[in-house]
Amino acid sequence: EVQLLESGGGLIQPRESLRLSCAASGFTFSTYAMGWVRQAPGKGLEWVSSISDNGGVAFYADSVKGRFTISRDNSKSTLFLQMNSLRAEDTAVYYCAKIGLISSNFDYWGRGTLVTVSS
Amino acid sequence: DIQMTQSPSTLSASVGDRVTITCRASQSISSGLAWYQQKPGKVPKLLMYKASTLESGVPSRFSGSGSGTEFTLTVSSLQPDDFATYYCQQYNSYSRTFGQGTKVEIK
Repeated sequence: EVQLLESGGGLIQPRESLRLSCAASGFTFSTYAMGWVRQAPGKGLEWVSSISDNGGVAFYADSVKGRFTISRDNSKSTLFLQMNSLRAEDTAVYYCAKIGLISSNFDYWGRGTLVTVSS
Repeated sequence: DIQMTQSPSTLSASVGDRVTITCRASQSISSGLAWYQQKPGKVPKLLMYKASTLESGVPSRFSGSGSGTEFTLTVSSLQPDDFATYYCQQYNSYSRTFGQGTKVEIK
């Protein structure tokens, strides 16, 4: 069974940094591209970043480009999101999601971790 | 960046109704469109990709069509389990963009 478990969220002050992790199990992690999607309270879904299976290629939404860095450790089946210079508008539930080989879309999602940026 | 616009934002319908949600892209995305369903307090679920290919396990009452800039998601006969918020998402470009969502509520 595919499982994705995010951690690292919490209350953080503006301009500070936070690192999210996503522990994956139930599939061969190194075979799949992965991504992060966020959802502000009561709002819609926003794609944040995606990374290729070997970590060699990464893409970012304009809203986080230059501040967030996605990475992965295939030896530990773990996905990361380093978030720097956080802003109030980054407040959201951050979901880790697996990208299907055939669908090329987010076919499995974690339950999310809440990041609250507030002074 | 490619912008995705869904309509309507909210749709009131009854069980058994045929409902259609429209998604428009700001530029051509060929068939690079997916649809997701999200229920309150739950994670999103992939329904469809490549505009019209049903994800495994998704009921056949769901169908998708379109290419280029205009796409539709149709539910042929709305069931109680289908009341949720639906999102389109383009994946044609290196980035991905979600629409703002369409909430399907009980009339």
